[in-house]
Amino acid sequence: DQQVKQNSPSLSVQEGRISILNCDYTNSMFDYFLWYKKYPAEGPTFLISISSIKDKNEDGRFTVFLNKSAKHLSLHIVPSQPGDSAVYFCSGGSQGNLIFGKGTKLSVKP
Amino acid sequence: DAGVIQSPRHEVTEMGQEVTLRCKPISGHNSLFWYRQTMMRGLELLIYFNNNVPIDDSGMPEDRFSAKMPNASFSTLKIQPSEPRDSAVYFCASRPQTTFKYEQFFGPGTRLTVL
Repeated sequence: DQQVKQNSPSLSVQEGRISILNCDYTNSMFDYFLWYKKYPAEGPTFLISISSIKDKNEDGRFTVFLNKSAKHLSLHIVPSQPGDSAVYFCSGGSQGNLIFGKGTKLSVKP
Repeated sequence: DAGVIQSPRHEVTEMGQEVTLRCKPISGHNSLFWYRQTMMRGLELLIYFNNNVPIDDSGMPEDRFSAKMPNASFSTLKIQPSEPRDSAVYFCASRPQTTFKYEQFFGPGTRLTVL
């Protein structure tokens, strides 16, 4: 059973528009959520996180929203840039460990 | 400032052969994680070490997989014997002992192909 689900394997958006990546989870014990970004032939790199006691965290063009009642979080990128094209992994943290989703491949078209 | 180092970057082997993947964590980091990435299962945690001690190996698929961390600067993941279904990208990640207990730093991965 998947504790973290990213139901969209891929997403394509136009440069300058908003990208919204979604993530659902089942584990109520997650106390943090992290988004990682991965380029081809590289390891994932940390992008942004949110504590389970918050509902929003913003860092430049990236904002993560958390809806605990729905067990849903989303990553907003605005404006999207071609350099944002990558695979984005959503993860939930519990007891020091991370459980990752399968990832969403974002393509930003110039 | 070197990041997590993994070797080899690519490994092609035949079914039944022993495979050893290597990882050097970032100096000063006290936790080390091994992950496997496949299309079907995404990024799965195989095992993690804290201060060189294995803490949770529940993600290790079966007895063919073993991992060691003989010292703070080196870890290995061994598959013996290897099977085609082991083909995947294997990542090593390390984490410092900080107040934010979740950020992990990943290596570039080893792409394993078992024929």
